[in-house]
Amino acid sequence: ILNVEQSPQSLHVQEGDSTNFTCSFPSSNFYALHWYRWETAKSPEALFVMTLNGDEKKKGRISATLNTKEGYSYLYIKGSQPEDSATYLCASCLRGSQGNLIFGKGTKLSVKP
Amino acid sequence: DVKVTQSSRYLVKRTGEKVFLECVQDMDHENMFWYRQDPGLGLRLIYFSYDVKMKEKGDIPEGYSVSREKKERFSLILESASTNQTSMYLCASTWDSAREKLFFGSGTQLSVL
Repeated sequence: ILNVEQSPQSLHVQEGDSTNFTCSFPSSNFYALHWYRWETAKSPEALFVMTLNGDEKKKGRISATLNTKEGYSYLYIKGSQPEDSATYLCASCLRGSQGNLIFGKGTKLSVKP
Repeated sequence: DVKVTQSSRYLVKRTGEKVFLECVQDMDHENMFWYRQDPGLGLRLIYFSYDVKMKEKGDIPEGYSVSREKKERFSLILESASTNQTSMYLCASTWDSAREKLFFGSGTQLSVL
């Protein structure tokens, strides 16, 4: 079974701090890596889908990088705001797995004003 | 905007009851998924479907079945609910590739007493 690990499990930062999380996944047969943001009482919302080694994607103050050879992805948040408080999920998919995503346990971010 | 609608936000059932969780999407997505979320665990795939009347087991199918009679609707059935099926259930859908982002419903918090 594909194992996707996220660290840290939780994170508390002050408003204005920049922060980053890690997602680790097996690098063999890599197909795609997804990042989602899940705010309390809402649906998980896609941030990025990344497929190529060296991919870098950006959405406002949030960006992500991908290293498929070593099996990790970083998510960065620049100048955290209270509205960034959420659980951030990553999920990976293996080639030939019928498109099934395996999710990590998430990183819970709390941003204090 | 793509909409994935789950029929109930909160549901309370008794042990042994047959439970239906309904999910409808309005974007003609081929793939639909049922996940459950439990504290300390990542999203775990119960069943998925890549076409009408097609279904595939995920990682934790025991105690569940599914039905996909129409492309837009994917139902999760708990044949005889048990207390260990108390959980948050999330439905998701996407086009036919793991390189497309998932669209999630808002979840159903099921309590089995």
